[in-house]
Amino acid sequence: DGGITQSPKYLFRKEGQNVTLSCEQNLNHDAMYWYRQDPGQGLRLIYYSQIVNDFQKGDIAEGYSVSREKKESFPLTVTSAQKNPTAFYLCASTERDYGYTFGSGTRLTVV
Amino acid sequence: GQQVMQIPQYQHVQEGEDFTTYCNSSTTLSNIQWYKQRPGGHPVFLIQLVKSGEVKKQKRLTFQFGEAKKNSSLHITATQTTDVGTYFCAGPRQLTFGSGTQLTVLP
Repeated sequence: DGGITQSPKYLFRKEGQNVTLSCEQNLNHDAMYWYRQDPGQGLRLIYYSQIVNDFQKGDIAEGYSVSREKKESFPLTVTSAQKNPTAFYLCASTERDYGYTFGSGTRLTVV
Repeated sequence: GQQVMQIPQYQHVQEGEDFTTYCNSSTTLSNIQWYKQRPGGHPVFLIQLVKSGEVKKQKRLTFQFGEAKKNSSLHITATQTTDVGTYFCAGPRQLTFGSGTQLTVLP
């Protein structure tokens, strides 16, 4: 079955540490996205990529970085510059902007 | 920039009652999408509306897109416990999400 796989499901980060969240899709979608969700809130766009080797900042890109070296993969790094990283991170993909497919998410906690 | 506001933020209903959530945009939308997120889960695509005044139905769910393409609504008839979750509307352009309506259905 086609879909998006995010790993790990839970991640704990120490202060000052960089961590990378994985997102892999086998839907052959060109566009991929990273969103952050805080408790009881909507989703906010961190970064998106519409084609391999190209990506754009979203509304809350500070403290995050991404790469898009392969069509199937769009990893997100949460850097030590992100002062409040505890959140639920969701990766999504779409073809021609219709019906975004989301992964099951990664819950990141700072310890 | 584009903003999408959604009301109410929370809604508690008795099983069997109807439920409606409303979405309003500050700008005209080329399309609007609706998603459902179950507690602890991820958003799942429900539908996309494109045309002015469009109405679409999925079983007990009715989706409407306003004539001016600035507002939309989702109506659930005779809610069931399986309807529990948060319903989000989202505009185009990398999905500008509304804040969502969290639906609780009391048995």
